[in-house]
Amino acid sequence: GAGVSQSPRYKVAKRGQDVALRCDPISGHVSLFWYQQALGQGPEFLTYFQNEAQLDKSGLPSDRFFAERPEGSVSTLKIQRTQQEDSAVYLCASSPGPISEQYFGPGTRLTVT
Amino acid sequence: GENVEQHPSTLSVQEGDSAVIKCTYSDSASNYFPWYKQELGKGPQLIIDIRSNVGEKKDQRIAVTLNKTAKHFSLHITETQPEDSAVYFCAASYSGGGADGLTFGKGTHLIIQP
Repeated sequence: GAGVSQSPRYKVAKRGQDVALRCDPISGHVSLFWYQQALGQGPEFLTYFQNEAQLDKSGLPSDRFFAERPEGSVSTLKIQRTQQEDSAVYLCASSPGPISEQYFGPGTRLTVT
Repeated sequence: GENVEQHPSTLSVQEGDSAVIKCTYSDSASNYFPWYKQELGKGPQLIIDIRSNVGEKKDQRIAVTLNKTAKHFSLHITETQPEDSAVYFCAASYSGGGADGLTFGKGTHLIIQP
């Protein structure tokens, strides 16, 4: 079946621009997660949704980062006024329920120039 | 919060030999420990996981062991093959896996020498 998909796969932004990254979770998955993966590092948790409710946003690095999942399915991670330190791969994962595994998408590689 | 340490950062083994990657965690409240394999340009792929009520779990050539007292867990790959070459990440979570963010180690680059 279809896995988690993310778009775009690659994004180049000039410093100061706003970007929007999309995640399509596996159909029917209740939980959705965003992670940030810097080069050569493990993924770091950003935020978590259960259906449309954002239950944890403790990992968002600044108020320039905003995530939403208005209908409990597709999610968008928005970064305002991008900075060079925002350059990373942004990973989305979904899970069927609270006691289940997380399945990751291929990621969006963001490069801020 | 939780902190996960992973060793070694790079591991090179001969094809057919075994590979062992070790992780330690800091928070005794963690109860779910997955392992992911990540190939270049792809997202992490779950290969095996273990929950705190189990000490060992096997799936063909892959096994994971958990020592809750010592707060460490390990990945064992036997009869390694070239396609096992990748970066492996361990992780820990307070919930069953789908209700809070995973805390990852820094990864182990596994190289299988032909």
